Amino acid sequence: AQSVTQPDIHITVSEGASLELRCNYSYGATPYLFWYVQSPGQGLQLLLKYFSGDTLVQGIKGFEAEFKRSQSSFNLRKPSVHWSDAAEYFCAVGLTDKLIFGTGTRLQVFP
Amino acid sequence: EAQVTQNPRYLITVTGKKLTVTCSQNMNHEYMSWYRQDPGLGLRQIYYSMNVEVTDKGDVPEGYKVSRKEKRNFPLILESPSPNQTSLYFCASSLSPDSRKNIQYFGAGTRLSVL
Repeated sequence: AQSVTQPDIHITVSEGASLELRCNYSYGATPYLFWYVQSPGQGLQLLLKYFSGDTLVQGIKGFEAEFKRSQSSFNLRKPSVHWSDAAEYFCAVGLTDKLIFGTGTRLQVFP
Repeated sequence: EAQVTQNPRYLITVTGKKLTVTCSQNMNHEYMSWYRQDPGLGLRQIYYSMNVEVTDKGDVPEGYKVSRKEKRNFPLILESPSPNQTSLYFCASSLSPDSRKNIQYFGAGTRLSVL
C-alpha cells in the first residue's frame, strides 16, 4: 500500500543553520510528490512538487527537495533557516483521488 | 483572490448536536475534498468529490456526510458528533480530479471540539 513516512516528529535548529527534513515514500510506480507547510493557525501551503524530470526541485521561500528513487526519498532542504520558517511540514504522495500525507515534522527555530 | 473558504474557523459543540462545516471555492475547481488532521496521524481524507453530484468515501468516512449540489460548495455534515471527531478539519480543491498532477489548495481549517 502507498504510504509516506516522516521519521522526525520534531526538529530544532538555530536561525541561519541549514535544514533537512526527511521523507520516505512507498509507491509502486513513479511517484508524484509534494511538500506542504502549515504555519500556526494557517492552512496548508504548497512549497514544491515533483512530477518528473529534474530530480532537484526548487520551491518557494528558498526551499528545495531532491527526489532519490533508489532511496525512495524526497527530502526537503534549506541552506539557511529563518525564524519565520517555524511551522509544521508535511510530505505527501499524490494518487488519482487523494493525497497521502506523512505525519508531519514540526520545526522549531531558535534565534 | 483565489481561495478556499471554510466556516466556522472554530467550533465547540456537544455530543449529538448536528453541525455543518461549510466549504466554498472561487476557482471553478472540479475536485473537492475533506481531510481531518490529528496529532501523530497527519491528514486523512474523509470524503471527496470529483464533480457536482459525485461524491465518494475517503479513508475515514464514518460519522460524516457530504453533498455537492453546486460546483463551488462542499459542506461537511456531522449528523451526531462524538468526542472522537474532535479534530482540525481542512477542505481542499483542485482544478481537475487527478491528485497526482493537480495542486490542491487548502482552506485555513476548522478546529472542532465535541464535548
